[in-house]
Amino acid sequence: AQSVSQHNHHVILSEAASLELGCNYSYGGTVNLFWYVQYPGQHLQLLLKYFSGDPLVKGIKGFEAEFIKSKFSFNLRKPSVQWSDTAEYFCAVKGGGGADGLTFGKGTHLIIQP
Amino acid sequence: DTAVSQTPKYLVTQMGNDKSIKCEQNLGHDTMYWYKQDSKKFLKIMFSYNNKELIINETVPNRFSPKSPDKAHLNLHINSLELGDSAVYFCASSRGRENQPQHFGDGTRLSIL
Repeated sequence: AQSVSQHNHHVILSEAASLELGCNYSYGGTVNLFWYVQYPGQHLQLLLKYFSGDPLVKGIKGFEAEFIKSKFSFNLRKPSVQWSDTAEYFCAVKGGGGADGLTFGKGTHLIIQP
Repeated sequence: DTAVSQTPKYLVTQMGNDKSIKCEQNLGHDTMYWYKQDSKKFLKIMFSYNNKELIINETVPNRFSPKSPDKAHLNLHINSLELGDSAVYFCASSRGRENQPQHFGDGTRLSIL
């Protein structure tokens, strides 16, 4: 079975700081990888996705993530965070060729201090 | 226009009752899902439907039953509600099962008294 591990459950940064949220997955086959964001009281929104090709993917709101197959990682980055980035961030994986829904990590609660 | 809509947004009820949550998507997607988010924000897949056929059924109690009258709707029925059912339930949809992102609804916060 596939699993997703997010290393940081709570992260507090100041505005303009750089961000990197870790995500590791375990799955032996072809994977689709996602980062979703959940702003307080809202639904999940897709930040970015990786299916194949360039391992460095760019998403909305200045976020990017790098797929490193050898490390089974898909870390999320942003060079300069804003107060409005305060939210819960979820890494998710979907196994290729299967019938499963998304398997989510436990989320990282990001707080940006003005 | 809301792409994936769930009703109700909030549902407060007593133990033992039976309730339903409705979900509709207007994206033309053919796969729909239900997820449960617990008090610690952990999200877990419950069901997915593709072309009106249940394709996965995670280890959820059989008190939970998804019903899809057509590919634009996937409703969740819950019988004999228990305290542990309190959570936020999210509906989602995608175009196909492979290589497609899922679009989520706003969630239904279910509170059992």
